[in-house]
Amino acid sequence: DARVTQTPRHKVTEMGQEVTMRCQPILGHNTVFWYRQTMMQGLELLAYFRNRAPLDDSGMPKDRFSAEMPDATLATLKIQPSEPRDSAVYFCASGQPTGVGGYTFGSGTRLTVV
Amino acid sequence: GQNIDQPTEMTATEGAIVQINCTYQTSGFNGLFWYQQHAGEAPTFLSYNVLDGLEEKGRFSSFLSRSKGYSYLLLKELQMKDSASYLCAHNAGNMLTFGGGTRLMVKP
Repeated sequence: DARVTQTPRHKVTEMGQEVTMRCQPILGHNTVFWYRQTMMQGLELLAYFRNRAPLDDSGMPKDRFSAEMPDATLATLKIQPSEPRDSAVYFCASGQPTGVGGYTFGSGTRLTVV
Repeated sequence: GQNIDQPTEMTATEGAIVQINCTYQTSGFNGLFWYQQHAGEAPTFLSYNVLDGLEEKGRFSSFLSRSKGYSYLLLKELQMKDSASYLCAHNAGNMLTFGGGTRLMVKP
């Protein structure tokens, strides 16, 4: 089965440190989403890319978050500096723009900022 | 999602049928997704409705009415393993926006 791979699975870091999360989308999928999930907010869209170009990142705090796709096999989400309120599970999902066949989620990165 | 509404929690009995409703408001609507998410796991794709009507896939069926901004997920012959959150999401402008999810508890 094709899968979306996210690393690391878990990350504990101290406030103020930089955090980088990585995502390898399914080969051939040209649409990539980054979501954050907390108990209080549910799944929040942070950013999304099509053909590696960022199409919307309005859900992302610009002062500390950045998202990039340096190539078709890698998407990154970076937080610098991290804060305790950033503690959440961060999911990456990939698919085709039409949505046919669904978007496939990675297993997520569980981030804890202490 | 601010413009996607679904009940927060539902409880049903093993072997029964349950319907989870979702209403939405959006422009540029392209389709409506349903995802299942077990605690501590990633969401998994259940269905995608683009046109009005009912689509059946085994024990799960999904319905869409675009004119009413309404969808439902129907789960038949409930099993304990169906206890999970069910997330409704619309694909508008090719951007995938989720509702808060419905936590379904299946009891013996």
